Amino acid sequence: AQTVTQSQPEMSVQEAETVTLSCTYDTSENNYYLFWYKQPPSRQMILVIRQEAYKQQNATENRFSVNFQKAAKSFSLKISDSQLGDTAMYFCAGGGSQGNLIFGKGTKLSVKP
Amino acid sequence: DSGVTQTPKHLITATGQRVTLRCSPRSGDLSVYWYQQSLDQGLQFLIHYYNGEERAKGNILERFSAQQFPDLHSELNLSSLELGDSALYFCASSVGSQGSGQPQHFGDGTRLSIL
Repeated sequence: AQTVTQSQPEMSVQEAETVTLSCTYDTSENNYYLFWYKQPPSRQMILVIRQEAYKQQNATENRFSVNFQKAAKSFSLKISDSQLGDTAMYFCAGGGSQGNLIFGKGTKLSVKP
Repeated sequence: DSGVTQTPKHLITATGQRVTLRCSPRSGDLSVYWYQQSLDQGLQFLIHYYNGEERAKGNILERFSAQQFPDLHSELNLSSLELGDSALYFCASSVGSQGSGQPQHFGDGTRLSIL
């Protein structure tokens, strides 16, 4: 069975600072993909970043980057220069051969001015 | 704007009733996924269609059914509704079928409230 675990229910960060959200996953599949989604108070689900588990290089999208540790099955999200608009729930998700995503329970991030 | 359209945005109905949720995928996307988001269960996968065919089922109740039509839009039918069915229902679409690793783009969801 595939599992995705987010151990931080809530986090806060000061505006302009850096924060890291943790995620671990477990799967027996080699062809696995990992994602971070953001859900702001508007409840939309917005794709933040995608990582292919067979690639060692960490994905980066502007202020968002991942630290992917394959051996540890760890997939953390780093947000640099945090902005007030980054306040949201962040979900880590994994997808394998079935195609559907398995989501973690989420981390509620608050960016404080 | 993700390009995925879900209607209606809100639905309020009573126990025992039946509702239909509709989803139009992004242009060019052949896969449609349905997810349920509730406070106690989190985000759970319900069902996946690819180009009109059912490809995978998750934690979907027998009271729920779905289909994908030739124009690729999809409908999720929920019947004999119970209070516990109150949730936010998301549709997501992607280009490929299972295992392709293509990112899924989500609609804004339909919020279903059962009174």
